[in-house]
Amino acid sequence: ETGVTQTPRHLVMGMTNKKSLKCEQHLGHNAMYWYKQSAKKPLELMFVYNFKEQTENNSVPSRFSPECPNSSHLFLHLHTLQPEDSALYLCASSQGNRANSPLHFGNGTRLTVT
Amino acid sequence: AQTVTQSQPEMSVQEAETVTLSCTYDTSESDYYLFWYKQPPSRQMILVIRQEAYKQQNATENRFSVNFQKAAKSFSLKISDSQLGDAAMYFCAYRSAMNYGQNFVFGPGTRLSVLP
Repeated sequence: ETGVTQTPRHLVMGMTNKKSLKCEQHLGHNAMYWYKQSAKKPLELMFVYNFKEQTENNSVPSRFSPECPNSSHLFLHLHTLQPEDSALYLCASSQGNRANSPLHFGNGTRLTVT
Repeated sequence: AQTVTQSQPEMSVQEAETVTLSCTYDTSESDYYLFWYKQPPSRQMILVIRQEAYKQQNATENRFSVNFQKAAKSFSLKISDSQLGDAAMYFCAYRSAMNYGQNFVFGPGTRLSVLP
């Protein structure tokens, strides 16, 4: 399924680098999400955007900065990350105003912070 | 706040056999939706099946079916005629139908191995 596309697939960065993760959805959805998936931990919701407006910021450190220029694109800007930020970052979309609308996920970006 | 529990970190099943993955949840709401997601090694989370809490009939999608027990707050997933491609992490998820903007609550997952 190519409904939600994430790039890059893998990313290795040093703690002083600045990088961005990109997500694009072609499903006509109006809500987009960033999740963090770490080994042996439940899926952690980071940010939610509904109709381009941020509606959720789950106490995420400021070194993660989201951007949603339109309802089809979502970015996660990264700077001065820590090794514990290494994880799989998943983007998802849904029809935010319909509770029965499931999440559609991308393939994720595997981030390694060295 | 709602919580979702999956008490089986790992399960295994013989190819062509049937396996049941358990999921329980805690909520005070009466109207909500439940989902099962599959995450194979390719990493993409894929929706397997969805259940509306107001429906008594258990959802079915081909070899996948659920046993939804609303009073017990239980939502187990049954996989029949297991195939090698079913090997994956399986996540149970909850979403409120009444609290607009309520986000998904995921369980910790169950890793399913399928033995040839």
